[in-house]
Amino acid sequence: GEDVEQSLFLSVREGDSSVINCTYTDSSSTYLYWYKQEPGAGLQLLTYIFSNMDMKQDQRLTVLLNKKDKHLSLRIADTQTGDSAIYFCAEIGTDKLIFGTGTRLQVFP
Amino acid sequence: EPEVTQTPSHQVTQMGQEVILRCVPISNHLYFYWYRQILGQKVEFLVSFYNNEISEKSEIFDDQFSVERPDGSNFTLKIRSTKLEDSAMYFCASSEAAFVADTEAFFGQGTRLTVV
Repeated sequence: GEDVEQSLFLSVREGDSSVINCTYTDSSSTYLYWYKQEPGAGLQLLTYIFSNMDMKQDQRLTVLLNKKDKHLSLRIADTQTGDSAIYFCAEIGTDKLIFGTGTRLQVFP
Repeated sequence: EPEVTQTPSHQVTQMGQEVILRCVPISNHLYFYWYRQILGQKVEFLVSFYNNEISEKSEIFDDQFSVERPDGSNFTLKIRSTKLEDSAMYFCASSEAAFVADTEAFFGQGTRLTVV
């Protein structure tokens, strides 16, 4: 069945790059998403990638997709304290999103 | 900017009691969803709702759960007789279209349900 896996925690120093990883199982997923949840807020769509792309860059964010290994990553360049949040990877199931557990990113000065 | 709003932000209820979680989706959206996340676990799909009926539901969404769009703006999730294992963060979401192409789903901030 459809499944998405993420590691639970990542801690980085301010100014460093963060890389959040995700693996998924459904090779037919057309789009893969990254959502961000800040404390007390809802899930906010950060970026997405179409399954026929390998990479997508959007300012400080770079999404890499390895379709063969079903591996998705989100790289945040020059990580700031304001990037501290939970990041969710998601794939499309049948009329729904399939989420991972979320990765809690902690940025320390 | 339009947003999905959920009330209350935190609800504490006794086991066996009924709870209603409320959501106001974005006004021109047609698809509505409930998800939940038990602490430390994945965000799980519960149900999707379109055209005033359930379009899909998960195994979690058993007879204890129901959804309703009573007045054309609110979208509610009712749990008839709460169990301890229903304690979770419940997220409501809405979208203009079903999950095809680059449809974005907008999520509320969640309601934390604690069953004691």
